[in-house]
Amino acid sequence: QSALTQPASVSGSLGQSITISCTGTSSNVGGYNFVSWYQQHPGKAPKLIIYEVNKRPSSVSNRFSASKSANTASLTISGLQTEDEADYYCCSYAGSITWVFGGGTKLTVL
Amino acid sequence: EVQLVESGGGLVQPGGSLRLSCAASGFSFSAVPMNWVRQAPGKGLEWVAHIRNGGDIIYYADSVQGRFTISRENDKSSLYLQMNSLRAEDTAVYYCVRDTYYAFDSWGQGTLVTVSS
Repeated sequence: QSALTQPASVSGSLGQSITISCTGTSSNVGGYNFVSWYQQHPGKAPKLIIYEVNKRPSSVSNRFSASKSANTASLTISGLQTEDEADYYCCSYAGSITWVFGGGTKLTVL
Repeated sequence: EVQLVESGGGLVQPGGSLRLSCAASGFSFSAVPMNWVRQAPGKGLEWVAHIRNGGDIIYYADSVQGRFTISRENDKSSLYLQMNSLRAEDTAVYYCVRDTYYAFDSWGQGTLVTVSS
């Protein structure tokens, strides 16, 4: 149950777009279309922003989008806003009713 | 509105035990699988345990297998995590989490467990 690999930090300017990668293996990201992404502000619980690779809950802004290619998933945030500054975690189903998370990426909005 | 409220966290010595509880409301608790996910201070998220609707199917992360027990009481809309043989590395905020479509769509506010002498 090794963690998925995410960059420790990314940054972008207001209004720009950024992409966060999440690399796993064929046993998790590459093997299932059950990749999800979470946003976590300091001192708060995580919030689901993407499920099943690229689906957004109705309450989540369409500025958030995601995709997957082979063993790597990606989250893109367009039109960066100050409230987007947070930690982002990817997560993948890993078979046998287990899940694995990425190490998290800190997004700084400049 | 979905609400998940954890309780039972605190300070415990290495080798000790603690039982976490989660009170659920705002949805049909007996219809959905539930999980515990933890986050060590300043660290990332780690899935801990999963229990199906009826409580008959249970899975654990390797790091807690044999030491932690997840359970539920559907008539009380409650989820539990019995933690035995606690270690320093179990120190974390523990979240009660609802799962749908193989994703974690609702989270409690978390309860802090500190394992230290």
